[in-house]
Amino acid sequence: DIQMTQSPSTLFASVGDSVTITCRASQGISNRLAWYQQKPGKAPKLLIYKASTLESGVPSRFSGSGSGTDFTLTISYLQPDDFATYYCQQYHRYATFGQGTKVEVK
Amino acid sequence: EVQLVQSGVEVKKPGESLKISCQGSGYNFVSYWIAWVRQTPGEGLEWMGIIYPDDSDTRYSPSFQGQVSISADKSITTAYLKLSSLKASDTATYYCVRFGVGYCDPTTCSLEPFDIWGQGTMVIVSP
Repeated sequence: DIQMTQSPSTLFASVGDSVTITCRASQGISNRLAWYQQKPGKAPKLLIYKASTLESGVPSRFSGSGSGTDFTLTISYLQPDDFATYYCQQYHRYATFGQGTKVEVK
Repeated sequence: EVQLVQSGVEVKKPGESLKISCQGSGYNFVSYWIAWVRQTPGEGLEWMGIIYPDDSDTRYSPSFQGQVSISADKSITTAYLKLSSLKASDTATYYCVRFGVGYCDPTTCSLEPFDIWGQGTMVIVSP
């Protein structure tokens, strides 16, 4: 099984900040990496796929990078609507999710 | 509108069984795989299994093999997740999700991202 290690587990930030979340795969997954946003009581929402491709309708302040085993999600100029939990997911071999990163108000 | 609509909250006793439904609409149901994902506070998001409704090709996560059963009825564009012999540890929210055609061989599958999610079905297992 491919394991996904995401960090940090919690991140405190203010509106307007730029934040970065990292995700590491236990083996190479090429660019088969997605990022999701989840708000309380709601299903996760796809933000980025193929490591860096923005899903339609997702604001351009979200960006992703990486290939192989190391990946990042960056949110530039954090907005009030961005306080949520973010998950990475590999889909190279079936699917594995990271443990999640909760972005909270500082 | 492309959507997956799941059945409602379930409250069950240990040992009972249940079947959750997931109806797709707004797209060609048989051209996309459906996955079932469990979410718990302790384990996070875990994929349980996948099914291709057109031919009912089904794959299970080793963690859930033998404990769940996934099926689909393409005539009513609905997928199902059956949980048997429920335990308290099955208390969770279960999501069905759609993803595009990936590549599958007999031993593994390379998937596509999960682009459409159902609203989730909360299952509570309590004596």
